[in-house]
Amino acid sequence: GAGVSQTPSNKVTEKGKYVELRCDPISGHTALYWYRQSLGQGPEFLIYFQGTGAADDSGLPNDRFFAVRPEGSVSTLKIQRTERGDSAVYLCASSFKGQLTDTQYFGPGTRLTVL
Amino acid sequence: SQQGEEDPQALSIQEGENATMNCSYKTSINNLQWYRQNSGRGLVHLILIRSNEREKHSGRLRVTLDTSKKSSSLLITASRAADTASYFCATVRNFGNEKLTFGTGTRLTIIP
Repeated sequence: GAGVSQTPSNKVTEKGKYVELRCDPISGHTALYWYRQSLGQGPEFLIYFQGTGAADDSGLPNDRFFAVRPEGSVSTLKIQRTERGDSAVYLCASSFKGQLTDTQYFGPGTRLTVL
Repeated sequence: SQQGEEDPQALSIQEGENATMNCSYKTSINNLQWYRQNSGRGLVHLILIRSNEREKHSGRLRVTLDTSKKSSSLLITASRAADTASYFCATVRNFGNEKLTFGTGTRLTIIP
């Protein structure tokens, strides 16, 4: 496909469990971003990858959150010991080079519900 | 954290009318972008305006930017039912990377 894809589209888990969310960016895009959107709010930045490296992880809320992009394409956001407050839509975006005026293309998001 | 706020939070207008949404932000920026979101999921990029630009047009969209007031407006002319969505402004700072800092959004409803 031509766009950013995310799997799963919905994830329901129990408090304390571990979850992984996957993002497939547009082919050839070196920059990849994760955002989190709570109900009624705008998305909030979590982490930015340039290639394989996490260039900016200043938005990760705590050490339960971790993300990887081992081959510079697919990225996985990992959340340990999930809490009810982690419930949100997790959005992934990619851009060609991550330059300041590059357009970010967003995936459809993963809705995470922690019971 | 959110960069700023959008005004109004919600707007309902008749089809064919113009819709205006405003956005305020807090820090100096490289550019400001507007996004549309349907049904609380994927965001679609609409338009980007650089900090040295004052106005930009794209189809039925007109964006203005006032860096002295740290504010922007989005005008959608001749609205259509398909324009019903949430609209967000997002800013990119002048240093670091291209991470977007979003506003709180305006929920626009077009009444057929």
